[in-house]
Amino acid sequence: IAGITQAPTSQILAAGRRMTLRCTQDMRHNAMYWYRQDLGLGLRLIHYSNTAGTTGKGEVPDGYSVSRANTDDFPLTLASAVPSQTSVYFCASSDSMAGSTDTQYFGPGTRLTVL
Amino acid sequence: GEDVEQSLFLSVREGDSSVINCTYTDSSSTYLYWYKQEPGAGLQLLTYIFSNMDMKQDQRLTVLLNKKDKHLSLRIADTQTGDSAIYFCVRTGGGNKLTFGTGTQLKVEL
Repeated sequence: IAGITQAPTSQILAAGRRMTLRCTQDMRHNAMYWYRQDLGLGLRLIHYSNTAGTTGKGEVPDGYSVSRANTDDFPLTLASAVPSQTSVYFCASSDSMAGSTDTQYFGPGTRLTVL
Repeated sequence: GEDVEQSLFLSVREGDSSVINCTYTDSSSTYLYWYKQEPGAGLQLLTYIFSNMDMKQDQRLTVLLNKKDKHLSLRIADTQTGDSAIYFCVRTGGGNKLTFGTGTQLKVEL
């Protein structure tokens, strides 16, 4: 069982380019999340999806979009990257059903640099 | 993470106990978690405590929750060099969303 995987591991991107970060989980979790981690700010939620076919905005959604066509995949797209989107991006998933602890399981992260 | 506060750094000697503290403002959380992030890695759940508990012990880890003061702490007994990492205090927010503290970087010195 792989758990939750992300691709690419790292990427350097020119400003203005489009980029999709991939996230796949094999735990059949219903909920998935995208965070960015910046020094001194902890992790901030970008977008989330409580179940396949639905998405919601987190704390810092501007400049990002997501889709949830199926349970396993939750790609994050930067339509036109800007330097302020330089960050480490983490995908997470959880089994947020009644009685669960809502524990979120994290992927290894994607380090993105926008020049 | 402005409503979950942690100090940024903590340095301890190997074999000593480490205590990482966290304060939060929203008392509606169901669960409070401690996540660990090793250098260059993702986050892994270390332990959690249900909001109606005062203490939880798991091997070298002790979590204390003071609901009145909205204070959560993580004590690591017999701290080892492998415990060097960033520790995040996390609370459940609205629905299944999490609110993260800024993280405390623990450095274990020989």
